[in-house]
Amino acid sequence: EVHLVESGGGLVKPGGSLRLSCAASGFTFSDAWMTWVRQAPGKGLEWVGRIKRTSQDGTTDYAAPVKGRFSISRDDSKNTLYLQMTSLKTEDTAMYYCSAGMGKTDTDYWGQGTLVTVSS
Amino acid sequence: DIVMTQSPDSLAVSLGERATINCKSSQSVLYSSNNRYLLGWYQQKPGQPPKLLIYWASTRESGVPDRFSGSGSGTDFTLTISSLQAEDVAVYYCQQYYSTPPTFGQGTKVAIK
Repeated sequence: EVHLVESGGGLVKPGGSLRLSCAASGFTFSDAWMTWVRQAPGKGLEWVGRIKRTSQDGTTDYAAPVKGRFSISRDDSKNTLYLQMTSLKTEDTAMYYCSAGMGKTDTDYWGQGTLVTVSS
Repeated sequence: DIVMTQSPDSLAVSLGERATINCKSSQSVLYSSNNRYLLGWYQQKPGQPPKLLIYWASTRESGVPDRFSGSGSGTDFTLTISSLQAEDVAVYYCQQYYSTPPTFGQGTKVAIK
């Protein structure tokens, strides 16, 4: 069974940094495209960014609002996905979900999410 | 970016009745290499993460009840719940994964009438 467990969320001041992690199990992590999606309180789903499998050079793509501030990486030896967030803004406040794509869509399976609050 | 527009924003349906949600993409999401529409449908219940229901526009994910079906072509797609159950109360999202960035519709909230 696929399990994705996010961690690292919390309260951070504007301009601050935070690193989220996503521990994966139940599938071959190195074969999956991994994606971060966020959801602001009471709002819809917003794609944040994605990293392809390492065999595809681990290419990353980012949404315009986070490009240059967020960085996605993966450690296939630890089955873990990361989201490094810098220069955080109040509008980055959201639940951040980790998701794995294994050939059906880019986001076949989802974790429970970790909440990031950016506030002074 | 491809814009995904869902309609309606919300609907209330009686138990056992049909619920229909529409999704329109601003451009084609047909992947010519395999002739499949790269369009998915997700269900999000309160306090839970989204769950994949339908992929390739019409293929039901394993374990999803057969009262859920997806259809459509061109730029117009539909999610149908043939006989609404109490546990289907949720927000439903369509998403295109044809081009980067993948984009979601704004969501449709389904309630019991």
